[in-house]
Parts: sequence; structure tokens; C-alpha cells
Amino acid sequence: AQTVTQSQPEMSVQEAETVTLSCTYDTSESDYYLFWYKQPPSRQMILVIRQEAYKQQNATENRFSVNFQKAAKSFSLKISDSQLGDAAMYFCAYRRVSGYALNFGKGTSLLVTP
Amino acid sequence: DTGVSQDPRHKITKRGQNVTFRCDPISEHNRLYWYRQTLGQGPEFLTYFQNEAQLEKSRLLSDRFSAERPKGSFSTLEIQRTEQGDSAMYLCASSRNVGVTVHNEKLFFGSGTQLSVL
Repeated sequence: AQTVTQSQPEMSVQEAETVTLSCTYDTSESDYYLFWYKQPPSRQMILVIRQEAYKQQNATENRFSVNFQKAAKSFSLKISDSQLGDAAMYFCAYRRVSGYALNFGKGTSLLVTP
Repeated sequence: DTGVSQDPRHKITKRGQNVTFRCDPISEHNRLYWYRQTLGQGPEFLTYFQNEAQLEKSRLLSDRFSAERPKGSFSTLEIQRTEQGDSAMYLCASSRNVGVTVHNEKLFFGSGTQLSVL
């Protein structure tokens, strides 16, 4: 079974600063997909960014980028120019190529201070 | 596009009662997922539908749980003889994928149904 670990229960960042959220995973598969989802107080999970394991290039989406280290099984999320609206729970997730289920980590609560 | 709709938003029930939740996916989304999220945890996969066919069920889905998606549109999740351990948020998600494989599809989640079993 694949496991996803987020070792930071809480993180804090000042507005306009940069923060990095950590995620590691365990798998024996060579190809898979990785995701970061955001869950604000409204509870609705929103996809932030996704990465295919076979792609060496790190994915970027505006202020969000990832550092994908396949050998280390690490998938960190960097948020640049943090905004108050970025405050939320962030979940890292893994999916097998042939599977349907997303395996989520326990999440990191991000606080953004003015 | 009105998003994924879930009803009710909150449900309080007594242990032993049956409850049913409803999920209306985004129109034309052929894939539908149910997840369960307990406090301090990430969502856990429960089941997956492609159109009206239930293609995968998690071991978490005991025989007290049943999900349906008649006609491939809305879906219901029923829990029979509820237990206190069933207290959680039940999330529904949908996506549209015309291919055979799932790939890195983007899931659209609803706001969930919060179940409290007393």
C-alpha cells in the first residue's frame, strides 16, 4: 500500500513571503501521479497542482510550484508571494497509474499572517 | 457549472439509525467518487463509479455501507445501523474523462456532508 506523509502539522508564513510544505511518500511503483489539494474552511477540496512521475520537470501553476525528487520520494509545495487567501489545510496525495483512489496525507495547516 | 452539490450539509443521528446522503456531480461528469474524512486526517477513498457502474470499493466500505448511482447521474451513499465510529465528513467528487484510464484527472469536490452519530 502506498503511504503519504506530511510531517508538518502546521506552518506559518507572512503575507508576500514564500513557504514550502513537505510531503514524502512510499511506493514500489515507477509511474504514478502526485497532487496537492487545498481545503479552506468551506471544506471544499481544490486542486492546486499535479505532477506526473515520469516527467522530470517540476510542475508550476502561477505562484505554486513543486520540487519533485523521485529518488527521494519527496514532493514539496512552494507557495510564493503568499496571500491571506492561501490560508487553508493543504493535502498531498498519491495515485497509482492504474488506480482510482487518491491516497492523502494528514495535511498541513497553513496560517498566513499580515 | 454549479459545482458538485451534496445534501444534507449536516446530519445528526442516533446510533443504530440509517442515514442516506446525496451527491449531484457536475453535469456530464461520468466519474464519481466518495471519500470519508475524519478530524485531523486526510480524506480516505470509499468507492468509485464510472457512469452507473461501481468499479471499485475500499475495504473501509463495510457491508453496512452501500452506494448507488442509478442512471449515471446523482449518487447516494447509505449507512445502515450507524455507529459512533461512522462520524465523519463524507465527501463526493466528480470528474469527466473520456479515456479508459484515469490519468491525472482533476477532481471537483463538493463541500461534504458532516455526519454526527450520537
